[in-house]
Amino acid sequence: DIQMTQSPSSLSASVGDRVTITCRASQGINNYLSWFQQKPGQAPKSLIYAAFSLQRGVPSRFSGGVSGTDFTLTISSLQPEDFATYYCQQYNTYPLTFGGGTKVEIK
Amino acid sequence: QVQLVQSGSELKKPGASVKVSCKASGYTFNSYAMNWVRQAPGQGLEWMGWINTKTGKSTYAQGFTGRFVFSLDTSVNTAFLQISSLKTEDTAVYYCARISDASGHWGQGTLVTVSS
Repeated sequence: DIQMTQSPSSLSASVGDRVTITCRASQGINNYLSWFQQKPGQAPKSLIYAAFSLQRGVPSRFSGGVSGTDFTLTISSLQPEDFATYYCQQYNTYPLTFGGGTKVEIK
Repeated sequence: QVQLVQSGSELKKPGASVKVSCKASGYTFNSYAMNWVRQAPGQGLEWMGWINTKTGKSTYAQGFTGRFVFSLDTSVNTAFLQISSLKTEDTAVYYCARISDASGHWGQGTLVTVSS
């Protein structure tokens, strides 16, 4: 199974900060990686697919990057509505696997 | 647009069974796999397995064999998750999700509470 190691597990940041979350895959996943945002009591919402393609309607302050098997989600200028938990997920191979999540909290 | 609409919350006693439905619309149902994901209270997302919507064949993740069954009713574009012999530790939100491809669509989730 492909392990997705996500870091950090939580972070505190202020509105306007630049925030980066990392996911490392245990083996190659051909950039078949999604990022999801989940707010309390809501279903996850897709932000990015194929490592760096933005889903329709997602603000451009969100971006994805890749370097080998390391994937990043960057929020260029954190907004109040961005405080949430973020998950990565690989869909290259079954079983599908998620990162452990990163909770972004207000400093 | 793509929508996955799940059935409502359930409160069950230990040992009972529950069947959660997930009705799909806005796309060709049998063109995309349907996955099921569990989220226990305060925990992360856990992939339970998937069902091939063309053939009806199910594949279950480790830890979700035996009591968990995926099924389909393709006449109404609906996928089902049935859990039997419920335990208190099955208390969770269960999601259906189209996450085997780039689309990333999720149902709204169904809370299943198991309590005596």
